[in-house]
Amino acid sequence: AQSVTQLGSHVSVSEGALVLLRCNYSSSVPPYLFWYVQYPNQGLQLLLKYTSAATLVKGINGFEAEFKKSETSFHLTKPSAHMSDAAEYFCAVSQNSGGSNYKLTFGKGTLLTVNP
Amino acid sequence: DAGVTQSPTHLIKTRGQHVTLRCSPISGHKSVSWYQQVLGQGPQFIFQYYEKEERGRGNFPDRFSARQFPNYSSELNVNALLLGDSALYLCASSPELNNSPLHFGNGTRLTVT
Repeated sequence: AQSVTQLGSHVSVSEGALVLLRCNYSSSVPPYLFWYVQYPNQGLQLLLKYTSAATLVKGINGFEAEFKKSETSFHLTKPSAHMSDAAEYFCAVSQNSGGSNYKLTFGKGTLLTVNP
Repeated sequence: DAGVTQSPTHLIKTRGQHVTLRCSPISGHKSVSWYQQVLGQGPQFIFQYYEKEERGRGNFPDRFSARQFPNYSSELNVNALLLGDSALYLCASSPELNNSPLHFGNGTRLTVT
């Protein structure tokens, strides 16, 4: 079975500071990994995904994540936080054998607060 | 183009009742998936449908069922509602079954009292 652990349920940063949201995964097969963002009262929006190509993945809104197999990690970063980045962020893994959009397993989420 | 649309947006039901949630995928998308998001948790996979056939099922009781129609829209049905069924139910669509990104709707907020 695959699983995802997001370290830190709440991260608070100042505007302009580095954003680092942590995600560790467990998978018996090479995983597909994702980061999604959820704004209040909305569904999830895909930020970026790793599908066994380049280990450094660039996404929308200036976010990127690096797949590190040795550390089973897929941490999300952004060099400079904006107020509009305040939201909940979810890391997810899919069952590779079913395809990259099959049966995503999500972490519990990290709420990002950006202070002016 | 319209995104994934879900109806209703909010719903209040009583324990033991039945509920039907509806989802219209993005035009041209053939796959629909359902997820349950309990407050404070990440979404949990319930079902995936493709071309009107169930292609995947999560760890949910038989009280949960779904179907997909010829126009690719989908319904999620939950019988004998429990308080623990209170959650945001998310529908996601994708063009194909595999290796295409999921597009999520804004969800239906179900409250069971």
